Amino acid sequence: GQNIDQPTEMTATEGAIVQINCTYQTSGFNGLFWYQQHAGEAPTFLSYNVLDGLEEKGRFSSFLSRSKGYSYLLLKELQMKDSASYLCAVMDSNYQLIWGAGTKLIIKP
Amino acid sequence: DGGITQSPKYLFRKEGQNVTLSCEQNLNHDAMYWYRQDPGQGLRLIYYSQIVNDFQKGDIAEGYSVSREKKESFPLTVTSAQKNPTAFYLCASTGQDHTGELFFGEGSRLTVL
Repeated sequence: GQNIDQPTEMTATEGAIVQINCTYQTSGFNGLFWYQQHAGEAPTFLSYNVLDGLEEKGRFSSFLSRSKGYSYLLLKELQMKDSASYLCAVMDSNYQLIWGAGTKLIIKP
Repeated sequence: DGGITQSPKYLFRKEGQNVTLSCEQNLNHDAMYWYRQDPGQGLRLIYYSQIVNDFQKGDIAEGYSVSREKKESFPLTVTSAQKNPTAFYLCASTGQDHTGELFFGEGSRLTVL
């Protein structure tokens, strides 16, 4: 079966750095996505990785290792507004998205 | 501005009633999706449509129905056959470039009383 694993909850301090991991086992691979979702709101797109390596976009970076079935989202200089759930999703061989359950990130002052 | 509009944002229903959730997009996207989100679970695909007048069942289609009569519109009906309909419902769309970036509506929260 297809599976996406990510931690349920993480806590970090304002101004610090946090890394949210995602491991996956899917039928084929056509890219990995990270979305941010604030409570009660719709997910918003953060990043897309299809090749191995690090993609940097401002305070957020996303890394992919296809051979290990592994990705992480790195958030730097954490702000209180970064408190949200972070969803990892993989596009399989049929171009369908398989979603992880999300990681709830709590930022403390 | 282009985007996806879902309505209503909050909806209460009595058991045994059908309800229809609206989803409209002006992004000129061909593909549209309905997801259900429950606490502690990933998004689960209910139905999707890649072209007008055609749609496919997702992983949890039982108790739901859809139509795609226009490119812009993809309404979801939650029927009385859906045993546990209380959830947050998300509509999304995407272009055909296969990068997969989904554009989501604001969601509809359905509560069955």
